[in-house]
Amino acid sequence: DSGVTQTPKHLITATGQRVTLRCSPRSGDLSVYWYQQSLDQGLQFLIQYYNGEERAKGNILERFSAQQFPDLHSELNLSSLELGDSALYFCASSVGPGTYGYTFGSGTRLTVV
Amino acid sequence: GENVEQHPSTLSVQEGDSAVIKCTYSDSASNYFPWYKQELGKRPQLIIDIRSNVGEKKDQRIAVTLNKTAKHFSLHITETQPEDSAVYFCAASARDDKIIFGKGTRLHILP
Repeated sequence: DSGVTQTPKHLITATGQRVTLRCSPRSGDLSVYWYQQSLDQGLQFLIQYYNGEERAKGNILERFSAQQFPDLHSELNLSSLELGDSALYFCASSVGPGTYGYTFGSGTRLTVV
Repeated sequence: GENVEQHPSTLSVQEGDSAVIKCTYSDSASNYFPWYKQELGKRPQLIIDIRSNVGEKKDQRIAVTLNKTAKHFSLHITETQPEDSAVYFCAASARDDKIIFGKGTRLHILP
């Protein structure tokens, strides 16, 4: 157990639907990062939060949004889902700004049918 | 923004031999370079990292080297074992601390 908790582990939904992925960071970590990993692809950076505020944005689609709550857990909302959104979505956390290694959660596998 | 290139995409080595994976980065402000190992269906796990004030770091059978002038860094695994089979990702991070990953190298250890 890495200390980073992601729920649900698996999600199957239909095209056009909306889903919410949840992440609880490791105790003491203030930064949360979201990554998308498609089949045989690398880890694409989506968005980063630090202590409740958005800090950096990557290749995140307009249909996707995220937030970090006062208790530091984060949610990634994916709407108007398309088949191509099927992927593993990882959350990672770190202590905060600076050069620290991430700790990844186990991921949520999203399948859009 | 930062771009990280990783080669090769696939690497097969005989058990006991060494494996080398190479990466280049584009942002000269990058100062932190972690390496992650991802086994099938599992989360990426940090195996070693290096900061820009160090040229080389070693941890048992794995080592990482960094050439800041050339903007490239490498992972070396010696005496490879079957459990080293996995996908390895290099990454780079600048002061704003988001980490950008390479596309990964699938390492196969042949018996």
